[in-house]
Amino acid sequence: RKEVEQDPGPFNVPEGATVAFNCTYSNSASQSFFWYRQDCRKEPKLLMSVYSSGNEDGRFTAQLNRASQYISLLIRDSKLSDSATFDCGGGGADGLTFGKGTHLIIQP
Amino acid sequence: EPEVTQTPSHQVTQMGQEVILRCVPISNHLYFYWYRQILGQKVEFLVSFYNNEISEKSEIFDDQFSVERPDGSNFTLKIRSTKLEDSAMYFCASLKDSRVNEKLFFGSGTQLSVL
Repeated sequence: RKEVEQDPGPFNVPEGATVAFNCTYSNSASQSFFWYRQDCRKEPKLLMSVYSSGNEDGRFTAQLNRASQYISLLIRDSKLSDSATFDCGGGGADGLTFGKGTHLIIQP
Repeated sequence: EPEVTQTPSHQVTQMGQEVILRCVPISNHLYFYWYRQILGQKVEFLVSFYNNEISEKSEIFDDQFSVERPDGSNFTLKIRSTKLEDSAMYFCASLKDSRVNEKLFFGSGTQLSVL
């Protein structure tokens, strides 16, 4: 099972700022990619799917670059409630492989 | 919204004891998974299950682990003889089908503490 790499952070960001994370994956056969949000000691909750054409949902934009094997997440106008760990995951029906998660702290 | 449910939410056991963690996946889902997360570490894949058999397992899923779908609704993870290092949060997950970008849904987890 191949790896997914993320910068664990923490990213300390002032409220209202824009923040971006990247994640790289080594399994070129992976078909599906996602960003999950995980609050302390809770289950991962799906934030958004990631497509090559880009995917935007409100303040969140995700992008997949298959040639370079990385996925990105951009958060605009960050809120205090965005403080969490963001896990990227890639794979298929046999299961997703996750990175270590990027810890984001939004400061007032 | 349909949910993956897991019981118990917390399980404390003595080293060497057997534990069974229980999950009820979303009812029309076909693929089922167990993941674990040791405190402070990443979510790690353990096993995937489809059509009543294991489709893939990780190196963590050794002979001490087994999974079962005994009655068409429950999906269980058994650890035969627990070790201290089995202490972790165990998440069950399910997937509706194998289409690309089909979303994986997680249960709220069982925190296993091995003493």
